[in-house]
Amino acid sequence: LAKTTQPISMDSYEGQEVNITCSHNNIATNDYITWYQQFPSQGPRFIIQGYKTKVTNEVASLFIPADRKSSTLSLPRVSLSDTAVYYCLVAPPGAGSYQLTFGKGTKLSVIP
Amino acid sequence: DTAVSQTPKYLVTQMGNDKSIKCEQNLGHDTMYWYKQDSKKFLKIMFSYNNKELIINETVPNRFSPKSPDKAHLNLHINSLELGDSAVYFCASVRGYEQYFGPGTRLTVT
Repeated sequence: LAKTTQPISMDSYEGQEVNITCSHNNIATNDYITWYQQFPSQGPRFIIQGYKTKVTNEVASLFIPADRKSSTLSLPRVSLSDTAVYYCLVAPPGAGSYQLTFGKGTKLSVIP
Repeated sequence: DTAVSQTPKYLVTQMGNDKSIKCEQNLGHDTMYWYKQDSKKFLKIMFSYNNKELIINETVPNRFSPKSPDKAHLNLHINSLELGDSAVYFCASVRGYEQYFGPGTRLTVT
């Protein structure tokens, strides 16, 4: 089980780029890093996934250094609708006998 | 069409009762999970079903039992409800590393 550590909360103004870092020092070789977004009263929603280096999609970018002991979710030009809790999850793909526990996540508040 | 649906959305019941929460997915995935999100917002997996077989059974009380009548459904039955069972329960349909969550069921035990 790769325990993850994230900042509890972050504030940002609209239009700024936001970077949320997740530490996962004991990540295993076959673990992938996945980020989810959760709005109040909703289930988490998949944002992005990566194994190493950089991954980019239409929503965000994910930066993973060579040692893979941390990862950074980058949200370009945030808007008020990006206010949510962001979770970093480290686990192998597919089902397996692993304890999948999301940490407390990072509560991002976007300010007008 | 909603990819993953749960019913009911809210459930208020008394201690000692037995209740069920239903989950259905129309994504054709083979694997589904049940999660519990407590008041501190930790989201912890409870069960996993792959092709109708239980492959993860976390350290949850045996009062909780998943039931899968077919690949598209994974229901959660809870017997003898306790105050500590109050939480939001999410089911998720899984494809590889990507999980598709339902809207959640807020269970309140009084």
